[in-house]
Amino acid sequence: GAGVSQSPSNKVTEKGKDVELRCDPISGHTALYWYRQSLGQGLEFLIYFQGNSAPDKSGLPSDRFSAERTGGSVSTLTIQRTQQEDSAVYLCASSPAPLPYNEQFFGPGTRLTVL
Amino acid sequence: DQQVKQNSPSLSVQEGRISILNCDYTNSMFDYFLWYKKYPAEGPTFLISISSIKDKNEDGRFTVFLNKSAKHLSLHIVPSQPGDSAVYFCAAKNTGKLIFGQGTTLQVKP
Repeated sequence: GAGVSQSPSNKVTEKGKDVELRCDPISGHTALYWYRQSLGQGLEFLIYFQGNSAPDKSGLPSDRFSAERTGGSVSTLTIQRTQQEDSAVYLCASSPAPLPYNEQFFGPGTRLTVL
Repeated sequence: DQQVKQNSPSLSVQEGRISILNCDYTNSMFDYFLWYKKYPAEGPTFLISISSIKDKNEDGRFTVFLNKSAKHLSLHIVPSQPGDSAVYFCAAKNTGKLIFGQGTTLQVKP
């Protein structure tokens, strides 16, 4: 079956503009996660959705970042008034359920460049 | 505060030899650990995991060891193959989300 897909694969934007990044999780997966990897850094947790529960937003770096998940499936990560330090690869992952032993399946990422 | 640390940014080994990648963590509440492998321009892919109730898990050429008292885990790859060249991330599970280390770039030379 299809894996996690993300669009666009690359996004170049100007400082101050808003961007939207999309994630299509694996069908039937109830948990969805957003991470980012800045140059030379590890993967940094941003936000986590599980079913109809309130999302865990503890990793969002500022109030310019927000995410929503419509219908328990597709998710959109929105960055308002982008800054150069927002440049990174944004990765989405999904898993069947939030059980401790379920692995997360990652998409290929969206490379965001803020000029 | 880096809760999961991979102190070696890179490692180079000869084909056929053992690769040992190390990871340290600070939070004793972590109860599940995973290793992911990442090729350029691709998302990370799951490699192997271990529960905190175990000290070893083996899957083919890959073995993960967990030393809870030292808060240390390691990934052993033997024998190493050129196709194993990638960035390896260790991760710890914390209330659903994964806390990742910075990654170690492994190069296996033919």
